[in-house]
Amino acid sequence: DAGVIQSPRHEVTEMGQEVTLRCKPISGHNSLFWYRQTMMRGLELLIYFNNNVPIDDSGMPEDRFSAKMPNASFSTLKIQPSEPRDSAVYFCASSPPDRINEQFFGPGTRLTVL
Amino acid sequence: AQSVTQLGSHVSVSEGALVLLRCNYSSSVPPYLFWYVQYPNQGLQLLLKYTSAATLVKGINGFEAEFKKSETSFHLTKPSAHMSDAAEYFCAVSDTGANSKLTFGKGITLSVRP
Repeated sequence: DAGVIQSPRHEVTEMGQEVTLRCKPISGHNSLFWYRQTMMRGLELLIYFNNNVPIDDSGMPEDRFSAKMPNASFSTLKIQPSEPRDSAVYFCASSPPDRINEQFFGPGTRLTVL
Repeated sequence: AQSVTQLGSHVSVSEGALVLLRCNYSSSVPPYLFWYVQYPNQGLQLLLKYTSAATLVKGINGFEAEFKKSETSFHLTKPSAHMSDAAEYFCAVSDTGANSKLTFGKGITLSVRP
């Protein structure tokens, strides 16, 4: 079985540019999570979706961040405009119905904003 | 609000020695508890979980954890460390609702010396 797929794996961009991170959850999973991991702040939940609907976006740092889930097999996290402090590893995770805490993580996207 | 505390940021053991990674939780209701492992340059992977059944939980790769309500602890152990156990370990907590999200600790890095 394919796991959670994220693209790109690495992204280097300049401050002010738009960045789009992509995620394909495991087929049959109905919850999807976006996390950010940094040395300073550890692992932070940014937003999660259940059945394609955003349930909790309280972790989204500011209006520069937005996330969508147009269907059950695809989600995006967009940063516009990007800033150097957004540099981090961004993980997408998905979980099966009624087992929201058994999350399967993707390999992450390492974002560097210069 | 629920939280977990993982004291220290780094543990180093010799190969073959006991591994003990500590986790204490804070919760107003009986929680579910989890340990996740993150190998270098990978996403997190579920190691084991406590969901109010047996208090001693066995996970993958020979790890186990014991839920102790009186101590509000859920420490992770392995009798004999292997070089391949070197990774970062995260304790996480949630309440018992079907759609409850995880709250992760800061993580602790395990190094294994030859």
